[in-house]
Amino acid sequence: NAGVIQTPRHKVTGKGQEATLWCEPISGHSAVFWYRQTIVQGLEFLTYFRNQAPIDDSGMPKERFSAQMPNQSHSTLKIQSTQPQDSAVYLCASSLTGGQNTLYFGAGTRLSVL
Amino acid sequence: AQSVTQPDARVTVSEGASLQLRCKYSYFGTPYLFWYVQYPRQGLQLLLKYYPGDPVVQGVNGFEAEFSKSNSSFHLRKASVHWSDWAVYFCAVTRTGGYKVVFGSGTRLLVSP
Repeated sequence: NAGVIQTPRHKVTGKGQEATLWCEPISGHSAVFWYRQTIVQGLEFLTYFRNQAPIDDSGMPKERFSAQMPNQSHSTLKIQSTQPQDSAVYLCASSLTGGQNTLYFGAGTRLSVL
Repeated sequence: AQSVTQPDARVTVSEGASLQLRCKYSYFGTPYLFWYVQYPRQGLQLLLKYYPGDPVVQGVNGFEAEFSKSNSSFHLRKASVHWSDWAVYFCAVTRTGGYKVVFGSGTRLLVSP
């Protein structure tokens, strides 16, 4: 069991460019979460999938952020027209069935927008 | 809405000394509470979790936490800190039957020799 895998570990984009972040959850886990971590805001919930279906995207900035889970083995977080304020560590986590179970986090993708 | 407050952004403890990291939660009902730890350049890992039942829960590496409904608290304790405990500790809460986990702002633990 390799745990939750996130790629890339680091991504640098110019302002206005697109960034796509990848997450491979633990096999057999039906719940996938995306969080954003910054020094100022801490850990912010972005979105949640259950059995690949989007359940809650209330934490996603509406206009430029989107997340998908096309199959049970990976999820993507796409940020269009990146801005400096998008610079953060994006964490993906999976669990057996939801938040009451242990969340297993990936190591994160550090996004730097220049 | 549920929330978690960790009042101490940074705590410094001498190696071998005891430790308490504070966590206060705000939630109407019975919460599920967690402590996660983040070591440098790693994702978060579960230390321990509280489900309704025994208020004192044991975790990995000698950590324990005590749930107090009257004080709305879930403080983390360790009897003797090791240098390898240097990390950021997050308290978190979710509701019964819920899925969204709300995290506190974290407490950075520094261990001095």
